[in-house]
Parts: sequence; structure tokens; C-alpha cells
Amino acid sequence: DGGITQSPKYLFRKEGQNVTLSCEQNLNHDAMYWYRQDPGQGLRLIYYSQIVNDFQKGDIAEGYSVSREKKESFPLTVTSAQKNPTAFYLCASSRQGRNYNEQFFGPGTRLTVL
Amino acid sequence: GESVGLHLPTLSVQEGDNSIINCAYSNSASDYFIWYKQESGKGPQFIIDIRSNMDKRQGQRVTVLLNKTVKHLSLQIAATQPGDSAVYFCAEKGRMDSSYKLIFGSGTRLLVRP
Repeated sequence: DGGITQSPKYLFRKEGQNVTLSCEQNLNHDAMYWYRQDPGQGLRLIYYSQIVNDFQKGDIAEGYSVSREKKESFPLTVTSAQKNPTAFYLCASSRQGRNYNEQFFGPGTRLTVL
Repeated sequence: GESVGLHLPTLSVQEGDNSIINCAYSNSASDYFIWYKQESGKGPQFIIDIRSNMDKRQGQRVTVLLNKTVKHLSLQIAATQPGDSAVYFCAEKGRMDSSYKLIFGSGTRLLVRP
């Protein structure tokens, strides 16, 4: 099956720890995205990558880091600098180019800081 | 399409009735719009999209209407079913934005009464 997978589904972190959320896609998409979703709110863009070895900050990048070493993978690290990391994290991918607009989403990872 | 406030607007409809979910977008230069459905604890799923050179597009049981004059987008769901209960997001993409990012609205919760 083609699609986007995120792991783990649930993640618990102690304060002061860094954690890495996995996102893998086998859709052969060039672009990948990370969003944060808080309860009852919309999606806010953390980071995005249009091509391997390149990525840009989104609207709320502080306290997060990413890498894009492979086309299929776009892991997100939530660092200890992120003061309020408890949220639902969504990864998405899309084809690149003006005529390709739809983003395909993974199932999400719910991160809870203990 | 801008996220405002902390409380998700809710639309409650009777099963079998038609639903209309509205969205005001922010950028008059946006040339593509998309509706997503998000069920609890899951990632958003594509419903329907529309380009700015159209004012109406129909899918299976869903219709999207675009009014560029007042920057308004609506999603109509015919014969609403219990499985339609979810949060619905609109998103826009700017014509001048070379990064192809989507800007998401804050969402509307649809509750279907049996």
C-alpha cells in the first residue's frame, strides 16, 4: 500500500528530553511537511522540505529540528527548547510543482510531556 | 482561513439533512483551495478541491462553492450521515507562493444527530 506512516502513535517524554518523531512515505513525493495541532485548533506548519537535503522553517519552528537525508524520510526532533511540546503532530507529503497541490497526511503522533 | 480564537465552531445537523460548512480565506491571490475531513485522533483526509478559475465543483455527495468577491468558500454535504461527523478544514494556496504551502483554517466540527 502506498502512503505515509508515522511512528510511534503515542509518545511520552520527560521534561528536558529530546524526542524524534518518524515520518516515512512511499508515494515518491518530493515535498514533505510537519504540522502541529493543539486541541480544538487548526494545523500550524513547523517545517517543510521541497527536496532532499533542503528544508525551510514554517510558522512555529522554534524548539524543533528536522533532517531530509532521504526522499522517503523526514524525521522531526522535538528539543528541550520547545516549552510546550504536548500536541498532536502530523506529517504530510505532496508532489512538487504548481499543478500539484494536495497534501497527503499520515495518521499522526500524539506527544505528551510528563 | 486564518486561525482565530480557541474554540472550534460546531455545526449540528440531523441525519439526512444537508450540511453547509463555511470558510473565509485571507489571501485574494490564492489560486487553489482544498477541503479536508479529520476524524478524531486521525490525520486529515482529502475531500474535494477547487481552483480559482472555477466557482463550483461537485464530488460524490459534496459540493464546493467559491466566491472570490468576498473571499468565501463553502462545503456542502448532501444527505448527511453519521460517518460525516468530523472536523472539516479548508486550506488555501497562494498563487505567488513558490513554496507551495497550504494555509489552513481553524476548522469546523460537524455533529450529526441520529
